[in-house]
Amino acid sequence: EPEVTQTPSHQVTQMGQEVILRCVPISNHLYFYWYRQILGQKVEFLVSFYNNEISEKSEIFDDQFSVERPDGSNFTLKIRSTKLEDSAMYFCASSLFRTSDGNEQFFGPGTRLTVL
Amino acid sequence: DQQVKQNSPSLSVQEGRISILNCDYTNSMFDYFLWYKKYPAEGPTFLISISSIKDKNEDGRFTVFLNKSAKHLSLHIVPSQPGDSAVYFCAASLLNRDDKIIFGKGTRLHILP
Repeated sequence: EPEVTQTPSHQVTQMGQEVILRCVPISNHLYFYWYRQILGQKVEFLVSFYNNEISEKSEIFDDQFSVERPDGSNFTLKIRSTKLEDSAMYFCASSLFRTSDGNEQFFGPGTRLTVL
Repeated sequence: DQQVKQNSPSLSVQEGRISILNCDYTNSMFDYFLWYKKYPAEGPTFLISISSIKDKNEDGRFTVFLNKSAKHLSLHIVPSQPGDSAVYFCAASLLNRDDKIIFGKGTRLHILP
């Protein structure tokens, strides 16, 4: 069964450093998303991406964050200058059609980001 | 800002019995609801969904009930099996508006032997 994959599974970085989290969505999916879950808190939406542009972003997704689909398979989340509060599990998700049309999103296993 | 609330952080149910997980929402505009299941070190896995035009949706052992007037939904698992032990997230979205999913905090379900 096709699945969303994410690398690395765990990333440790120093505060102020740039990190890139990578995702390979399900191959025929068209809509891509990033969510995060801070330890003990709920899963929060960060950004949605379609047709090579951001379609929606949350207030969490400030100028320090960016997303890119550099080729036909990868979808990346970059944090330019990490802060301690960026420590969280980051989940990538994809869907074939729009969730707003009643379609579920499929999630990857997550990347645990630890900022020291 | 808890638009989707799961007030029970954990629930223990005997194997073979019915598990009932509850969820409340505050935004009456929500019209598409999803349940996800999550094992440790894995991402959320989609289980079942329901749109607001229905009050029940069933898929095998899983049934979701929606009470729009009470802004409440529940997930029934019957019979409960050991592999059902996981964290269950209730989530909501807005059809024809945007694609983000708003999650609750989750309920950890323990199936007892």
